[in-house]
Amino acid sequence: AQTVTQSQPEMSVQEAETVTLSCTYDTSESDYYLFWYKQPPSRQMILVIRQEAYKQQNATENRFSVNFQKAAKSFSLKISDSQLGDAAMYFCAYMKSGGSYIPTFGRGTSLIVHP
Amino acid sequence: GAVVSQHPSWVICKSGTSVKIECRSLDFQATTMFWYRQFPKQSLMLMATSNEGSKATYEQGVEKDKFLINHASLTLSTLTVTSAHPEDSSFYICSARSQPRENTEAFFGQGTRLTVV
Repeated sequence: AQTVTQSQPEMSVQEAETVTLSCTYDTSESDYYLFWYKQPPSRQMILVIRQEAYKQQNATENRFSVNFQKAAKSFSLKISDSQLGDAAMYFCAYMKSGGSYIPTFGRGTSLIVHP
Repeated sequence: GAVVSQHPSWVICKSGTSVKIECRSLDFQATTMFWYRQFPKQSLMLMATSNEGSKATYEQGVEKDKFLINHASLTLSTLTVTSAHPEDSSFYICSARSQPRENTEAFFGQGTRLTVV
């Protein structure tokens, strides 16, 4: 079974600084997808960024970028120029290609942004 | 992005009663919907996968008779917690995905906080 590990229960960053959230996963598949979701205090899950495993180029979305290391099965999220609104729980998710396409979530990292 | 609406946002019910939670895809047809349960400061625990027109597939350890899932249309899935007990109090989240875009991310509802007293 696939597992997703987020080893940082909590991270903090100063406003305008950069922070990196870690995620590792375990799979024997070669074709899959990886996601980062944000869950703010409102509890609404919001997709931050996604990465297809077959793509070597790291995905970026404005201030959010990933460092995808397929061989190491690592998928970290970098948030640049952190803003107060970035404070939330961040979940890393893995989804195998084919079959039911059911995502597996990590336990989450709580990001605190200090003004 | 696509919009998934979940209703109600919160509900309080008496022990022994049943509660229905609705999950609607507002601007796309959701052939697959997922129901999750989330405990405080925990990850999302998948309860079941719901496919339109067929029976839901429940995860191991989830009671089918207690958590009734109906996906009768391409835009609506419901989760009914039957004979609710205080231990059923939790945050329930649905997500939906459209076909043929199975390889895309699922979109989430805003969640329902259930409190059983």
